[in-house]
Amino acid sequence: DTAVSQTPKYLVTQMGNDKSIKCEQNLGHDTMYWYKQDSKKFLKIMFSYNNKELIINETVPNRFSPKSPDKAHLNLHINSLELGDSAVYFCASSRGIRANYGYTFGSGTRLTVV
Amino acid sequence: AQSVTQLDSQVPVFEEAPVELRCNYSSSVSVYLFWYVQYPNQGLQLLLKYLSGSTLVKGINGFEAEFNKSQTSFHLRKPSVHISDTAEYFCAVSEASGNTGKLIFGQGTTLQVKP
Repeated sequence: DTAVSQTPKYLVTQMGNDKSIKCEQNLGHDTMYWYKQDSKKFLKIMFSYNNKELIINETVPNRFSPKSPDKAHLNLHINSLELGDSAVYFCASSRGIRANYGYTFGSGTRLTVV
Repeated sequence: AQSVTQLDSQVPVFEEAPVELRCNYSSSVSVYLFWYVQYPNQGLQLLLKYLSGSTLVKGINGFEAEFNKSQTSFHLRKPSVHISDTAEYFCAVSEASGNTGKLIFGQGTTLQVKP
């Protein structure tokens, strides 16, 4: 069983469309994250939820909306997609909100906006 | 706020040679430090972490790193690399007393192991 799974793995879509990426973890972790990796491989945090509560909301366009229906799931919905949204989006989870736990990452969703 | 600088964007090395990937950090508070590895088309995997105590930390796959507080560095080393070590390596920092678990990553270093 994959510890942190993301779907879809690849997503190609046109500008202006709305799309969602799903993430599920089966580790029993309390905290989940979304990171964006750009074309230069730079990783930047977007959001974090702890037990369904939003705890990190970085400077991200409000076209991006995370949703956590339960602590095992964290989805990312993107409205009105733009070319600049093309990136690899990684979901991660950790045991708690203290950084000493480290993260377990999913394998990523490569989003291409054309 | 914390920041991380990885001093080399690419490090080419021959198989069985030693390697050092350099990482410097900046922070006004105590930090935790991490190294992650990303193989092609995969997510990141934790190699090792420094939380406290001994400044020499050993991780998976024969890697180790040394925390140097005076030089604000956390360099990653391996005495003998294999072709399979070819990957992207990320240094990351987090505030030790923080309550969000937020990790700030460096720009990454591409390790290219040549036969």
